[in-house]
Amino acid sequence: DQQVKQNSPSLSVQEGRISILNCDYTNSMFDYFLWYKKYPAEGPTFLISISSIKDKNEDGRFTVFLNKSAKHLSLHIVPSQPGDSAVYFCAAGSSGSARQLTFGSGTQLTVLP
Amino acid sequence: DVKVTQSSRYLVKRTGEKVFLECVQDMDHENMFWYRQDPGLGLRLIYFSYDVKMKEKGDIPEGYSVSREKKERFSLILESASTNQTSMYLCASTLTSGQETQYFGPGTRLLVL
Repeated sequence: DQQVKQNSPSLSVQEGRISILNCDYTNSMFDYFLWYKKYPAEGPTFLISISSIKDKNEDGRFTVFLNKSAKHLSLHIVPSQPGDSAVYFCAAGSSGSARQLTFGSGTQLTVLP
Repeated sequence: DVKVTQSSRYLVKRTGEKVFLECVQDMDHENMFWYRQDPGLGLRLIYFSYDVKMKEKGDIPEGYSVSREKKERFSLILESASTNQTSMYLCASTLTSGQETQYFGPGTRLLVL
């Protein structure tokens, strides 16, 4: 039973265009969400997060949008750069429970020069 | 800067061998986690620990055990390695409860022959 789903295993985007990565969740207890980026043979690195009290959080080229009613979040990267090519994991957590995160299966983003 | 290190980047073991994977963090974090990453399945939580000598099962604890004798060190043990434990193993740590991001080590790629 996947509580966090990333339905697109891969995405290709032209350099300079917008990349949109999507994530859906089912557990209403999740109240914060994170995106991680992972290069091959490296551990995931934190990219951006959002609390359930917000619907948008922006950090430079990266913006995360949260739609609580639809239980959906998305990561926008504008403009996309070849160095953004990586696997992106969506993760969700619940402040009220233990500290673990539930991860999605990841989306491989390829930014074409 | 948070630093999470793992004892080996690559490991090759034989079926039935006992395998130790070590993880050390230098930021005095209370919580530490072990995940495995497999294609199409994302990161799945094996075990986590929120204090010295404390441990809790994650989503897939079967075939694994853990040890946390010191706050900075969290070990994952495969008592009798099997081929289906071939995977990328990732350690992470985080501060106390709340909306804290997890910091990951570089990962250990384990191949069980």
